[in-house]
Amino acid sequence: EAGVAQSPRYKIIEKRQSVAFWCNPISGHATLYWYQQILGQGPKLLIQFQNNGVVDDSQLPKDRFSAERLKGVDSTLKIQPAKLEDSAVYLCASGGGMNTEAFFGQGTRLTVV
Amino acid sequence: RKEVEQDPGPFNVPEGATVAFNCTYSNSASQSFFWYRQDCRKEPKLLMSVYSSGNEDGRFTAQLNRASQYISLLIRDSKLSDSATYLCAVNGGYSGGGADGLTFGKGTHLIIQP
Repeated sequence: EAGVAQSPRYKIIEKRQSVAFWCNPISGHATLYWYQQILGQGPKLLIQFQNNGVVDDSQLPKDRFSAERLKGVDSTLKIQPAKLEDSAVYLCASGGGMNTEAFFGQGTRLTVV
Repeated sequence: RKEVEQDPGPFNVPEGATVAFNCTYSNSASQSFFWYRQDCRKEPKLLMSVYSSGNEDGRFTAQLNRASQYISLLIRDSKLSDSATYLCAVNGGYSGGGADGLTFGKGTHLIIQP
């Protein structure tokens, strides 16, 4: 069974530029998460989708971050404009339901300079 | 906002020892609990789910205490390969009028010494 796919693996951008990350969840998984993990910390939930609807985006900095999952399958996360403190690994995860375990992709390591 | 707390460690233990981690959660309505393992510069990987009755997988045992709102992970006969960061995760429950997503603690760093 194919796992969660993310791209790109690495990205370096200058502050104030924009960037987008893509995620394709495990086939059939209705729940999709985006997390931000800063070095030395646990993953911080940014947004959770159930199919194409948002369940929880309370910790998403909506002035600069946006995410969509238009057809209930793959998803994109965008940052515009980026700040230095956005340097982190952005992890996508998917699960079979809202209260089930989640499986992670390899993540996108973002460096903002 | 739901919070999940862990002792960050590091825990330095000799090979063969038994080590235990605890994780506390703030939302009493939480419904699902998990332990993940994360190796350096890798993504978190599911280690085990935590059930009310407790569960065991080889050298690993997970327990849930709903009354005190904590989950625990016990590793027996620790191996060098157990060195990693262990993350607890809590799902479900509602706070502030909305559903809560899968929330992780900051992780406990474990170092097994030869």
